[in-house]
Amino acid sequence: GQNIDQPTEMTATEGAIVQINCTYQTSGFNGLFWYQQHAGEAPTFLSYNVLDGLEEKGRFSSFLSRSKGYSYLLLKELQMKDSASYLCAVRALGTDSWGKLQFGAGTQVVVTP
Amino acid sequence: NAGVTQTPKFRVLKTGQSMTLLCAQDMNHEYMYWYRQDPGMGLRLIHYSVGEGTTAKGEVPDGYNVSRLKKQNFLLGLESAAPSQTSVYFCASASDEAGTLYNEQFFGPGTRLTVL
Repeated sequence: GQNIDQPTEMTATEGAIVQINCTYQTSGFNGLFWYQQHAGEAPTFLSYNVLDGLEEKGRFSSFLSRSKGYSYLLLKELQMKDSASYLCAVRALGTDSWGKLQFGAGTQVVVTP
Repeated sequence: NAGVTQTPKFRVLKTGQSMTLLCAQDMNHEYMYWYRQDPGMGLRLIHYSVGEGTTAKGEVPDGYNVSRLKKQNFLLGLESAAPSQTSVYFCASASDEAGTLYNEQFFGPGTRLTVL
């Protein structure tokens, strides 16, 4: 099984940086995803890490350490539209996993003016 | 391309009623999934399918049934609705192609179901 933990809520000011941590315990690991979900909408894909290190995509970066079971999503130059829930999800390893994802409860990021 | 679509968007049921939620995708994906999302609990997998004619149980399958008669459609049924099934239901699909970079899941807009 997998346990995925992330903070419930974070607040930051427009233009600032926020780091959302995610820790996981898994019996098999085949990648970690970050999704963004605005209130009342569907989750949308943000980033993917399967090897250790940092992946950068514009204002968003995601880091993975497999040995520590740890990832973070870094949001830079925060904008009001970044106010959303950010979901950490781990994909299991194994032929019977079929791409299944285990999601954390999500971190609500509130951006203030 | 419409991506992943879900019908209906909203529904109110009385306890004991039945209904079917429809998910359709036009991306030729093999994998499809049904999740429910409740406050503070994240997305939980109900059932999933790895191809036409196949279904399998996820984390919280009790009280739900599914069918995948056509590759593009994945149906979620509630035979006898209970208040505990009040939730937002999301369908998702993903490619199984080895050459696809991420094989990420694409989500539909959700169905908001209330059971009274």
